[in-house]
Amino acid sequence: DAEITQSPRHKITETGRQVTLACHQTWNHNNMFWYRQDLGHGLRLIHYSYGVHDTNKGEVSDGYSVSRSNTEDLPLTLESAASSQTSVYFCASSVGVGNTEAFFGQGTRLTVV
Amino acid sequence: KQEVTQIPAALSVPEGENLVLNCSFTDSAIYNLQWFRQDPGKGLTSLLLIQSSQREQTSGRLNASLDKSSGRSTLYIAASQPGDSATYLCAVRGDSSYKLIFGSGTRLLVRP
Repeated sequence: DAEITQSPRHKITETGRQVTLACHQTWNHNNMFWYRQDLGHGLRLIHYSYGVHDTNKGEVSDGYSVSRSNTEDLPLTLESAASSQTSVYFCASSVGVGNTEAFFGQGTRLTVV
Repeated sequence: KQEVTQIPAALSVPEGENLVLNCSFTDSAIYNLQWFRQDPGKGLTSLLLIQSSQREQTSGRLNASLDKSSGRSTLYIAASQPGDSATYLCAVRGDSSYKLIFGSGTRLLVRP
């Protein structure tokens, strides 16, 4: 079955380190998204992509970057991890046009110490 | 700016009860609305997607309605079961982009 997978599921890193979270989908969806989920803030959009080589900033993009070199993958990089980036990160994808039902991965819990 | 609100934040009901979860949004110009379920420590599972031209969608014991003019959607769960215990999130696609704006969710507990 097609799916969307995130890795790692859990990560502890130190302040100032660069961290990359992986997201891989096998649906051949054009749209991919990264959200973070925090208590009191709900889910907030970090970055998104509508296709290969396309990337866009969401509402909380500072300190994060993404690149889209193929349809299946959208890795999220924290350039210099900060304690404020401790959160649960979710990747999502949707087809691209018409029916835009979004499907989510299982999440990555990141702790920055 | 689109804002999505879900009330109540938490709800506890006895097993077998029919219940309604509420979602409201400030800008009625939406493309669609999606309901999700999230279990503790897990990802989001899509339950129902309602296009802006639709009034309701049904899947098993779940029925979601949409009233764009009043900026409201409801998720009706019939004959609730302990396995329905989870957080329910609604999200709207508010413009020509494919971004979703989420509510903060309703945490549901169905007591045996």
